[in-house]
Amino acid sequence: SQQGEEDPQALSIQEGENATMNCSYKTSINNLQWYRQNSGRGLVHLILIRSNEREKHSGRLRVTLDTSKKSSSLLITASRAADTASYFCATDRAPSGNTPLVFGKGTRLSVIA
Amino acid sequence: EAGVTQSPTHLIKTRGQQATLRCSPISGHTSVYWYQQALGLGLQFLLWYDEGEERNRGNFPPRFSGRQFPNYSSELNVNALELEDSALYLCASSFSGDGYTFGSGTRLTVV
Repeated sequence: SQQGEEDPQALSIQEGENATMNCSYKTSINNLQWYRQNSGRGLVHLILIRSNEREKHSGRLRVTLDTSKKSSSLLITASRAADTASYFCATDRAPSGNTPLVFGKGTRLSVIA
Repeated sequence: EAGVTQSPTHLIKTRGQQATLRCSPISGHTSVYWYQQALGLGLQFLLWYDEGEERNRGNFPPRFSGRQFPNYSSELNVNALELEDSALYLCASSFSGDGYTFGSGTRLTVV
């Protein structure tokens, strides 16, 4: 079953703009991760944020986590055409150790040059 | 360092046949995860192996099975193939569960 739900399902922006994707989940988590998938390929791990963290940065990526609302957002600043991909959130249900990551259905981002 | 490798890249089978997909994890990773991604959909968890044991199984029928070998590589077997089994099958490995490294997948087509 899907734990995370990304919103929007699809997003189209111009190069240089910021892209924001949201993820909501249902159960308590240990951490939340974001992955990127280029068309028909494997997923690439982008960033992990733990349940006791509120914000994390990595290059042009900024992730926030609000455990009270069971939601996270991924912001990509100054987007590039190469950022065109699908982005998935994945959660590790608490307590850890016994469950694999559960992925949402993804947001398909198109960055137009 | 070699990444997660999956073989074959593409596989075409006839309905009712069996398919075997293979995965080699990153050196030092003991956990292997299998996911199914049907066209346009998210990832559905299939199986998790760690240290040679099945740790968890997703909501899939028993004709989906697998195993993990002493060198931590893994095999996914799908028996009695159905048309709806056509999908991208992704394997991932991890050491601690924090952050998976995915292979490029096996595209299975059932005709």
